[in-house]
Parts: sequence; structure tokens; C-alpha cells
Amino acid sequence: NAGVTQTPKFQVLKTGQSMTLQCAQDMNHEYMSWYRQDPGMGLRLIHYSVGAGITDQGEVPNGYNVSRSTTEDFPLRLLSAAPSQTSVYFCASSTGARRTEAFFGQGTRLTVV
Amino acid sequence: GIQVEQSPPDLILQEGANSTLRCNFSDSVNNLQWFHQNPWGQLINLFYIPSGTKQNGRLSATTVATERYSLLYISSSQTTDSGVYFCAVVYNQGGKLIFGQGTELSVKP
Repeated sequence: NAGVTQTPKFQVLKTGQSMTLQCAQDMNHEYMSWYRQDPGMGLRLIHYSVGAGITDQGEVPNGYNVSRSTTEDFPLRLLSAAPSQTSVYFCASSTGARRTEAFFGQGTRLTVV
Repeated sequence: GIQVEQSPPDLILQEGANSTLRCNFSDSVNNLQWFHQNPWGQLINLFYIPSGTKQNGRLSATTVATERYSLLYISSSQTTDSGVYFCAVVYNQGGKLIFGQGTELSVKP
């Protein structure tokens, strides 16, 4: 059972480039979310989805785009990368939003130069 | 929104010592989890504990939801316990998992 899988693990981008961070889960979870973690800080919510076709913004959504066409996949798109988006990105999934346990992927370390 | 505060922010222990980490939250919660982020950056699920007490080996956790706090106990600490411990909650008025700032633990041999 793979759980939550993120790709790539590491990425270096130039300012202005675009890219997609991939997240897939094989637990048939309805709820998926993306977080970023910056040095010395906890995780902050970027976007989340309560099911296929439904997404919403979290605490720090600017500069990021998401879509949820299937239950399994929840990609995060950086439209025009900026150095402020240098961070570690985590994807999470759970069976629901509330009284359920969340599981996290291994993270993607992104550097924008 | 809800505030999640963890204490202490940093902790240095000798191997074999015990410790207690605290998580305070400012509103009623549906869900509370403790995570360990190891030195490689992985987030490891420790406990899903919206209320009550659970134990897993040398680790145990207690959440007193009515008083809005949770405690994580680490007994007989080992160097492999080093890393950052996060508390995260889903509060009643929202559906989002909100993290505290973490407690950075360093266990010295």
C-alpha cells in the first residue's frame, strides 16, 4: 500500500518557469490538501479538495492553482515561479475533513532561483 | 480562526530522559493529531487523538478537549526521537488541519 505519493522529491526552477507537483493516493480518500513548510514554521495550507471536482483555497493560495479530476490525484501548479515559493511542499489525504486521520506524502523540496 | 500553540519551542535532552510536550488550542476541535518530523523531513503520524489517552511504546498522548490542550509524553528518550514534533487540529467551525509551530527536540547520547 503506497499511501500518499509525491513527485518529484526535489526540483530547482528558474524564476518565471511553471511546473506541476504531483500527488497521488491509493486509499480512496475524499479529502486532499497541499501545504507548504518554510524554515522554522509549521505547515500552512495552500489549497484543499473535499472530493473530485471540488477545490477551495487555504491560508496561502496566491501563485498556486489546483484541480481535482479524479479521487486519486491532486496536482499543484505553480504558474510563474517566484523565489518566495522556495519551500518544502507536502500533500495530505484523509477520508474526510473532520473526524479522520490525515496522512502525508514525503514532501517535495522546491528551490526557485 | 483557531490558534494552536506548542511549548516549549526547543528542548534538549540527554538520552534516557523523559519529556512532556504541550499543545494548546483556542477553540473546540473535531480532530487532533501529533506528528514527528524526522531529520530527513518525513512527517510520521504518531497519534490521532481528539480526546482521551493513547499509548504506543515509549510514547503516549492525552487530549483534554474540554480544557483545550493535549500532551505528548516521551519516556526513556533515544537519539532517534530527535526532530520536530507538531500538533495539528481540525476545529469545529472549519474543516482544515491547522498546525502549531512545533517543538524541536534534540536528544544527545
